[in-house]
Amino acid sequence: QQQVKQSPQSLIVQKGGISIINCAYENTAFDYFPWYQQFPGKGPALLIAIRPDVSEKKEGRFTISFNKSAKQFSLHIMDSQPGDSATYFCAAKRSNAGNMLTFGGGTRLMVKP
Amino acid sequence: DADVTQTPRNRITKTGKRIMLECSQTKGHDRMYWYRQDPGLGLRLIYYSFDVKDINKGEISDGYSVSRQAQAKFSLSLESAIPNQTALYFCATSDFRGAGETQYFGPGTRLLVL
Repeated sequence: QQQVKQSPQSLIVQKGGISIINCAYENTAFDYFPWYQQFPGKGPALLIAIRPDVSEKKEGRFTISFNKSAKQFSLHIMDSQPGDSATYFCAAKRSNAGNMLTFGGGTRLMVKP
Repeated sequence: DADVTQTPRNRITKTGKRIMLECSQTKGHDRMYWYRQDPGLGLRLIYYSFDVKDINKGEISDGYSVSRQAQAKFSLSLESAIPNQTALYFCATSDFRGAGETQYFGPGTRLLVL
């Protein structure tokens, strides 16, 4: 069973719109929550990350919202662009277990011109 | 990322064959990982190594083995390939700094087992 559940599996957004991808986790020992972006034919690359002591982190058009009580976090892409079309993975890490990352199932985002 | 290279990039093999996937890195990182990616399942950890003498099983190690030949090299072997090992395989490295940890992924190896 997946400890990090990600939705939706696929998402189509018009250029300029907001893309929202959600993740939920079960293990309260997770203490670091990164998002990775993967373009076709490439390996995933770190996009943005958050720790549970803050509720939001923003980097340019990308924002992570974190709800510790609900054990949920989400990625918001503002003013989505065709170049944002990629697969996005949320992940979680717990420091007391060798800093291993547990990934969500991924979301394939397509931004239409 | 050219700092992490994987060979081969694509491989077709037959059931029962032994194959090896290789990973090299020039980032100078101690930690290396092997993942497989399947649609809808994300990336799942197969094996990881924190240094040359420290190798650990991940979530899905059955049917796989690894070798850490040097700090910069980490190989994944399928002793007797089976069709459900058809997947995209990624090597990654990391260098623990502070409370977070960024993993740097190679370009992947697409494996098809017939």
